[in-house]
Parts: sequence; structure tokens; C-alpha cells
Amino acid sequence: QVQLQESGPGLVKPSETLSLTCAVSPYSINSSYFWGWIRQPPGKGLEWIGSIYYNGYTYSNPSLKSRVTISLDTSKNQFSLKLTSVTAADTAVYYCARMGAYYDNNWGSPLPREPDYWGQGTLVTVSS
Amino acid sequence: DIVMTQTPLSSPVTLGQPASISCRSSQSLVHSDGNTYLSWLQQRPGQPPRLLIYKISNRFSGVPDRFSGSGAGTDFTLKISRVEAEDVGVYYCMQVTQFPYTFGQGTKLEIK
Repeated sequence: QVQLQESGPGLVKPSETLSLTCAVSPYSINSSYFWGWIRQPPGKGLEWIGSIYYNGYTYSNPSLKSRVTISLDTSKNQFSLKLTSVTAADTAVYYCARMGAYYDNNWGSPLPREPDYWGQGTLVTVSS
Repeated sequence: DIVMTQTPLSSPVTLGQPASISCRSSQSLVHSDGNTYLSWLQQRPGQPPRLLIYKISNRFSGVPDRFSGSGAGTDFTLKISRVEAEDVGVYYCMQVTQFPYTFGQGTKLEIK
């Protein structure tokens, strides 16, 4: 069974950068899967942030795209999320997840599928 | 963006009775590869979401067979044949056919 664990600061100041890491075990992230981030503001629904393939293909939600960076660290078997210029609206539980892949002829590249394994989530509060 | 609309938003159910949740998308979820990438997730209180169903009707590993999914195009349904206490939580539909991926607003299943 794939296990994912988020880590990072629980409190970030407005205008600063939110940085989270997701450690994966015992499954290797250097495999034909996407690794994604999804968030959930307190008491609200789910929002897909973005996903990265093992070879580096990355897709992000356009509503956040200019502020989001997702990267892989295969040496540590983990992947990361950076979200810049945060505001109170970015306060949420952040989940990392494994997502399958399917090939899209129109895009000419693999695309993420539904998230099948999730981390427990970590609450990040944006406040001064 | 594809808007996913779930009904009802709250569903009180008697233990042992069936439950049904609907999800409607603002556009067809049929992908150019012929598949329909509509999933259902369950979020128990205080827990992360858990994948139940993918591609409309395929149960994920370990999901009890009392859960079933159906539908096509823009209209989809999750059914629980006999509700058990452990089924309490919020259920979300999700589409991964078109970017950005989007979720329904959630349906809260509670016991009467």
C-alpha cells in the first residue's frame, strides 16, 4: 500500500511562500504515476492544485498556475509544493496524493487520473 | 471550467436502507479516448478523502460492493445499497476529463 505524508510549516505570513513536502513510501515516485496536490479550506470543498509526472510533466490549476511550483526529489522519494504570495484565502488543509496516468493523443503526453492514495493532510494557516 | 453539481447536499438515511447521490456536470465528461473520467470519493469525519469509484462504475481496491456507480455523459449517480454506520461522511464527485480538474460541492450522508 502506498503511504504519503505531508510536512511543512503550519503557519505562513501573508505575501510569503507556502512550502510543503510529501514523503512517499514504500512506492518509488520514479514510476508511471502522477503525484498531486489538492487542498480543502476549512469546512469547504476540494480544489485540485496541480500534479507532476515522474519525468517532470507538470499541470496546474490555472486559478493558481502563476503562483504554483511542483517538483520531484527522487533521491529522497518525495515531491514538493511551493505557493507564492499567499493570502488568507490560501488557508486550507493541503493533501498530497498519487494519481494514475492516461495518455492523451491531443496533448501528446500523459495526463493525471483520479487520486487513488492520499496523505493525511496538513493544515496551513495564512496569518500575520 | 467544468462545474460539478451534486444533489442532495444533505442526505439523512436509515441504517440498512439505500442511499443515492447525483452528480451533474456542466459539460460532457466523455474524453476523446472514449473513456469518461468521473470518480466518487468518500471523506469520513476527520479523515482524508478516499477513492471509491473511478471511470463511472469501477470500484477501487477494497471498496465494498454495496457501493456502485452509474451514468453517462453529464449525469452520474452513486448508490449505496444498504447504508452502514461507517458510511457517514461527505461524498464528492470529481472529473479528470478536462483541465482544471473539478469536484462537486459534496453531499453529507448522515444517519437518521
